[in-house]
Amino acid sequence: RKEVEQDPGPFNVPEGATVAFNCTYSNSASQSFFWYRQDCRKEPKLLMSVYSSGNEDGRFTAQLNRASQYISLLIRDSKLSDSATYLCVVNTNAGKSTFGDGTTLTVKP
Amino acid sequence: DAGITQSPRHKVTETGTPVTLRCHQTENHRYMYWYRQDPGHGLRLIHYSYGVKDTDKGEVSDGYSVSRSKTEDFLLTLESATSSQTSVYFCAIRLPLSPGNTIYFGEGSWLTVV
Repeated sequence: RKEVEQDPGPFNVPEGATVAFNCTYSNSASQSFFWYRQDCRKEPKLLMSVYSSGNEDGRFTAQLNRASQYISLLIRDSKLSDSATYLCVVNTNAGKSTFGDGTTLTVKP
Repeated sequence: DAGITQSPRHKVTETGTPVTLRCHQTENHRYMYWYRQDPGHGLRLIHYSYGVKDTDKGEVSDGYSVSRSKTEDFLLTLESATSSQTSVYFCAIRLPLSPGNTIYFGEGSWLTVV
């Protein structure tokens, strides 16, 4: 079983839709959590950190559930430009980063 | 912009030849990493460095070696390239003062071993 698991998708949604991605992690010692975005043939880029209280950045909302060991990313009012692969990343307190394989989102007109 | 450059960005090489990929950073970050990314496997850590001449293995280090003789350069060497090492390689740095110690990536080096 992988340490960080994501539904690979693909998720195909129309513009304006709301879409949610989940990610589960197995290491209970995990300390910090992130979502990265990766465009085709580009490097992953930090989208947002994920905090226990939940956090929002414009149309993006991230949630963390430590008890169930999962994090989520909600995208509201999807834009064509949101089409990308979204990677879940989990850090331990030793500084080790473990990446999920990513969830692919395609937003269609 | 985390000031990371990778070279070469694209390379085609023959099986059995040595290959060196270079990662250069301009901001004196202590921690540097080499990852490879393959379909179905995601990003996997090859080697990392926590200072000049201080390196350690990641989860897929077989067939790779690294060197860090200067803070700004982290080199990844494939001693004798194999077709299984065809991949995209990302260098990364960790920002110690950022929330949760986030990682920033270079633009990637696409390597094809024929």
